[in-house]
Parts: sequence; structure tokens; C-alpha cells
Amino acid sequence: DVKVTQSSRYLVKRTGEKVFLECVQDMDHENMFWYRQDPGLGLRLIYFSYDVKMKEKGDIPEGYSVSREKKERFSLILESASTNQTSMYLCASSQRGRTEAKLFFGSGTQLSVL
Amino acid sequence: AQSVTQLGSHVSVSEGALVLLRCNYSSSVPPYLFWYVQYPNQGLQLLLKYTSAATLVKGINGFEAEFKKSETSFHLTKPSAHMSDAAEYFCAVSHAGGTSYGKLTFGQGTILTVHP
Repeated sequence: DVKVTQSSRYLVKRTGEKVFLECVQDMDHENMFWYRQDPGLGLRLIYFSYDVKMKEKGDIPEGYSVSREKKERFSLILESASTNQTSMYLCASSQRGRTEAKLFFGSGTQLSVL
Repeated sequence: AQSVTQLGSHVSVSEGALVLLRCNYSSSVPPYLFWYVQYPNQGLQLLLKYTSAATLVKGINGFEAEFKKSETSFHLTKPSAHMSDAAEYFCAVSHAGGTSYGKLTFGQGTILTVHP
């Protein structure tokens, strides 16, 4: 069974901490994405990567950075966590070259910043 | 730019009743359209997708959606609701093109409640 695995289901951090959210996929997908999900706002794209070491900003990149050193792993980094970054974070992956290809999602990480 | 609007953040139906979840899109190029479902404490799963073939698209679990270009709509329907359909549903749009990388723009989501 194909999988996108997010390292933590729940995470509690303090304001100003550096936070790492990890995502691993086992489908050999080229494209990987980080979304945040907030009630009433749906999913908003933070960053995406279409290849190792390649990244592009999504719609709400401020306060975030990403790292993709290996094809299967895509990390989201909050350099200095703030309370307005409390949210559900969803990682997804898809196959390259097919813009209609479905996204495979992880189960999400609920991050609380206190 | 592309966008999606889902009309109604909450929809409540009785078991056995018709389910209708509304989605309107805006896109400057021919769109690809998707419906995803999210069950409690899970990630999103693809229900169905429109990719410019048939305008009536059938998906999993008895759901279907019809692409109407004149109305810029892609509403999701199911003839008879089951209790297991209770979830949050998201409409999403993408577009063809080498630089899109399959990025999706999602709507705000509609929470479906099914009453016995």
C-alpha cells in the first residue's frame, strides 16, 4: 500500500522555537507539497518541490522554509514559530509530468504553538 | 489565476436523501477539477476528477460530478446518503501546463453531516 508518512500526529511547541515537520513518501514521486489546513479556509499551499533540491513558493510561504535533500523526504521548517502558525499541516506527493495526477496525502500534523 | 468557491460550509442531510455539494471555479485556462474527501483524523482521498474527457464523472462510493463550463460549476452529488459519507469535502482546481507541477488550489471545504 502506497504511503505518505508524516513524522508526528500532534506537536506542541513554544513561540520562537525552530520546528521541523518531516514527510516521507514511498512511491518514488517527483512532486511533493506542503499545505496548511485551517477551518473555513480550506487548504493553502505553502511550498512545493518538483525535484531533489528544487523548491518553489506556494501561496503562503512567509515564515516557512523547506528542504528536499532526498527524493523521498520533504521537510517543512518554521524558523521561529509563532502562534499564528498553529494549524494542521498536510504533506502530499504526486507523479511528475501529469498535471491531472492525483495527490496522495499524509494524515497530517496538528501543530500547536503556545 | 485560478480559484474555487464552495457554497455552504456545512450541509446536513438525512440518511437516504440526495447529497448535493456545490463548487464553482474560476480559471483562465481549461481546468482540471477534483473532489477530495477527508474523514476524521485522516488525510485527503481522491473521490473523482475531471480532465476534459466526459463531462459527467463517476467516482468512488457512489459519488458523481458534472462539469458545466457555461456555469463554471462542478457540483458533487450522490443519490442516497449513507452515514459513512459524513466527512469534509474539498473541491480543487488545477490546470494543464508544464510548470503547474500538479499544484491544486482548494476550496474552503464543506462539512457533510448525515442524520439517521
